[in-house]
Amino acid sequence: QVRLQQSGPGLLKPSQTLSVTCAISGDSVSSNIVAWNWIRQSPSRGLEWLGRTYYRSKWYNDHAAFVRGRITIKSDTSKNQFSLQLNSVTPEDTAVYYCARDVSGYVTDWGQGTLVTVSS
Amino acid sequence: QLVLTQSPSASASLGASVKLTCTLSSGHSSYAITWHQQQPERGPQYLMKINSDGSHSKGDGIPDRFSGSSSGAERYLTISSLQSEDEADYYCQTWGTGIGVFGGGTKLTVL
Repeated sequence: QVRLQQSGPGLLKPSQTLSVTCAISGDSVSSNIVAWNWIRQSPSRGLEWLGRTYYRSKWYNDHAAFVRGRITIKSDTSKNQFSLQLNSVTPEDTAVYYCARDVSGYVTDWGQGTLVTVSS
Repeated sequence: QLVLTQSPSASASLGASVKLTCTLSSGHSSYAITWHQQQPERGPQYLMKINSDGSHSKGDGIPDRFSGSSSGAERYLTISSLQSEDEADYYCQTWGTGIGVFGGGTKLTVL
């Protein structure tokens, strides 16, 4: 059974960089049959898919259009984890951030969530 | 554009059954979806995947009270013998071309 354990700071100021990490147990970040996602949730916008990374002989990334240019998702095979970086945050980026695993695009496992607040 | 539509709210009595609906946008009626439950103050939990033919596969430990079905562009989650802990938000999710999509969620109240 896969377990996703998130870590990262919870309070940021506008223009800073959001950084959250997701440690994987029970699966491999370089698995050829799954992908590793970042999703956020806020009361005003509900669940929003941000992007994902996956390995199919080489690394690939998909990103939502509304964060393209600000988002970086990286994998760390030595630590079996993946991370989210979101640049130039604003108060509108305040949300609970989740990592998740998908199989063929269908989410099957979630991390516990990390509340990130952007405030001056 | 791929969109998932859910009713914002639903309610049913303790011990009764309820059927929640997730509707795929036009042109996407062949897509599978997943259902997720989010209890108050908790993160989402995967319930099941439902294919266009109605076949479904549930997550580990999901009770038999939870079942799925499909008709055309609609994907259903049926919860029978409702319990108080079933009061939660329910979200559907699917995958488009290079993008993940979520429905707006249905808040289920158990009366």
